[in-house]
Amino acid sequence: QQQVKQSPQSLIVQKGGISIINCAYENTAFDYFPWYQQFPGKGPALLIAIRPDVSEKKEGRFTISFNKSAKQFSLHIMDSQPGDSATYFCAATFSGGYQKVTFGTGTKLQVIP
Amino acid sequence: GAVVSQHPSRVICKSGTSVKIECRSLDFQATTMFWYRQFPKKSLMLMATSNEGSKATYEQGVEKDKFLINHASLTLSTLTVTSAHPEDSSFYICSASGLAGRDQETQYFGPGTRLLVL
Repeated sequence: QQQVKQSPQSLIVQKGGISIINCAYENTAFDYFPWYQQFPGKGPALLIAIRPDVSEKKEGRFTISFNKSAKQFSLHIMDSQPGDSATYFCAATFSGGYQKVTFGTGTKLQVIP
Repeated sequence: GAVVSQHPSRVICKSGTSVKIECRSLDFQATTMFWYRQFPKKSLMLMATSNEGSKATYEQGVEKDKFLINHASLTLSTLTVTSAHPEDSSFYICSASGLAGRDQETQYFGPGTRLLVL
């Protein structure tokens, strides 16, 4: 019940295209859903996060869509750039920041020129 | 704000020796710190959660006598890999949680420490 399923495992997108990564969770008690971006040899960096009381959150080229009834959420990267090439992890946790985070399996994104 | 550092960034040691990894929150007080392990092309696996001044809580399957965690202050947590063996070679990442940064209810990750045990 603590799992977060993430797809696809890898994704190749042309520069300027839209990258879409999907995640599904099981535990309805989760109430905070962050996305992390990780470059090789580096720690994950918080990209954007959403709470289940909103259906969409946008920050620059990054948008999270959240479907509470389906227990699914997705990351959209608009106008994808080669610099966006990284591994993206969705995650689920509980409010407060002091709770352990359940990570998805990761999506390796490659944006080609 | 919300910067977390780790030291060292890379360490190579001989089998049987102990290695200490430091995790520091540079611009905020971290009441809770987490230690993760990441294998190549895999997701992060939580090893333990530590709160300042108390014993760490280890995840199932993680040997507490092998991976010693100390959270002595609100800005420093250490992970000591005791009697390291080649199978302990991995990427170790810490995260810190506290009232800081643009999102006060999330964890901020360090840059990671690459451990290679020969």
